[in-house]
Amino acid sequence: GDSVTQMEGPVTLSEEAFLTINCTYTATGYPSLFWYVQYPGEGLQLLLKATKADDKGSNKGFEATYRKETTSFHLEKGSVQVSDSAVYFCALIDVAALIFGKGTTLSVSS
Amino acid sequence: DSGVTQTPKHLITATGQRVTLRCSPRSGDLSVYWYQQSLDQGLQFLIHYYNGEERAKGNILERFSAQQFPDLHSELNLSSLELGDSALYFCASSVGSGGLYNEQFFGPGTRLTVL
Repeated sequence: GDSVTQMEGPVTLSEEAFLTINCTYTATGYPSLFWYVQYPGEGLQLLLKATKADDKGSNKGFEATYRKETTSFHLEKGSVQVSDSAVYFCALIDVAALIFGKGTTLSVSS
Repeated sequence: DSGVTQTPKHLITATGQRVTLRCSPRSGDLSVYWYQQSLDQGLQFLIHYYNGEERAKGNILERFSAQQFPDLHSELNLSSLELGDSALYFCASSVGSGGLYNEQFFGPGTRLTVL
């Protein structure tokens, strides 16, 4: 079945560093792809999405490009802030259900 | 605040017991989804309801059941609880019945601890 694999964490960065969190997927078709963020003690929030190949999703300085040839959807941010510390989940949608990766914990220090 | 509410926030119970988790979707949303988040399994889809009807099932145990009521709120019933059922249970809602463009909005979750 469909699945999502994302890099193991935790990722520890200093403020203003560049962030990359790798995500690859396995799917029979061309699903929409998502990044969700979970701040401590809260539910998941949609960070960005891409619905077809070569689409770039972006929000709050985060970007991810849907790469069909490498089945990837890597999350990037040019300059992280302490407030970006959270758990990040890559996901794809299979008809209605979201299929998530294991999550990557990001910790940013000042 | 996503507009999705879940009660209770925390639940502590014993093995063999039965509990009910409640979810109220955002105003206007017809779909409700349930997900389980545990340390070993990660985030897993359990079940989807649209306008009162079950639409899809994921890795939901037979001891678990759910329903969506005419006012669109949903309840997840967990019975014969085991230690391994301890997890964070999320509810999400969306406007339509799923598909490519339906964003799912998540509630804050119910943390279930089985002792």
